Amino acid sequence: QSVLTQPPSVSAAPGQKVTISCSGSNYNIGNNYVSWYQQFPGTAPRVLIYDNDKRPSGIPDRFSGSNFGTSVTLDITGLQPGDEAEYYCGVWDSSLSAEVFGTGTKVSGL
Amino acid sequence: QLVESGGGVVQPGGSLTLSCAASNFTFSSYGMHWVRQAPGKGLEWVTFIWFDGNTKYYADSVKGRFSVSRDNSRNTLHLQMNSLRAEDTAVYYCVRDQSAARPWFFDLWGRGSLVTVSS
Repeated sequence: QSVLTQPPSVSAAPGQKVTISCSGSNYNIGNNYVSWYQQFPGTAPRVLIYDNDKRPSGIPDRFSGSNFGTSVTLDITGLQPGDEAEYYCGVWDSSLSAEVFGTGTKVSGL
Repeated sequence: QLVESGGGVVQPGGSLTLSCAASNFTFSSYGMHWVRQAPGKGLEWVTFIWFDGNTKYYADSVKGRFSVSRDNSRNTLHLQMNSLRAEDTAVYYCVRDQSAARPWFFDLWGRGSLVTVSS
């Protein structure tokens, strides 16, 4: 059972915005930086966001992250068919001395 | 680039060693992880090793059964897996951390190696 909770799925029409939440505790999100990963079926994940809200080079600014204490969100604006994938949050948990991932959220277009 | 090898089918209670060959970056400057994903399931972190191999962390689910090591002279990461169980069946990814020591974020992933534990 994951210590980080995400909604199983979110959907929106092309061009619209989706928001994925990731809820944790003071042991993880509340005291460490969160990263977000995108995964397409049959492929390895890739990092979209690190340090809660920073984008690596090459990641479109349609992807943005925010921090709200013990929860974070990933926004995808201008949703495109190519964004349909699974999304995971990840963060170091100081009490477990372990990296923890969210349960994953499948993004779909309507 | 990260390339895993050593996956395959093993019986419950058996052992297997995965290897990860790193190239095109200074391997000895980065901490490294193993992350696994069971079929149809989410990501599960397995272990992290510091750049110099002196500090290691393990998930509770593998503690005492799995052992991570690295050979910086050969740019190689290893995962020794003992007492394997059916629930260890997964694709195992070798992953680079952007940090040398304190885990930060995963910035480079291998393609993964499938381990199947079955009789």
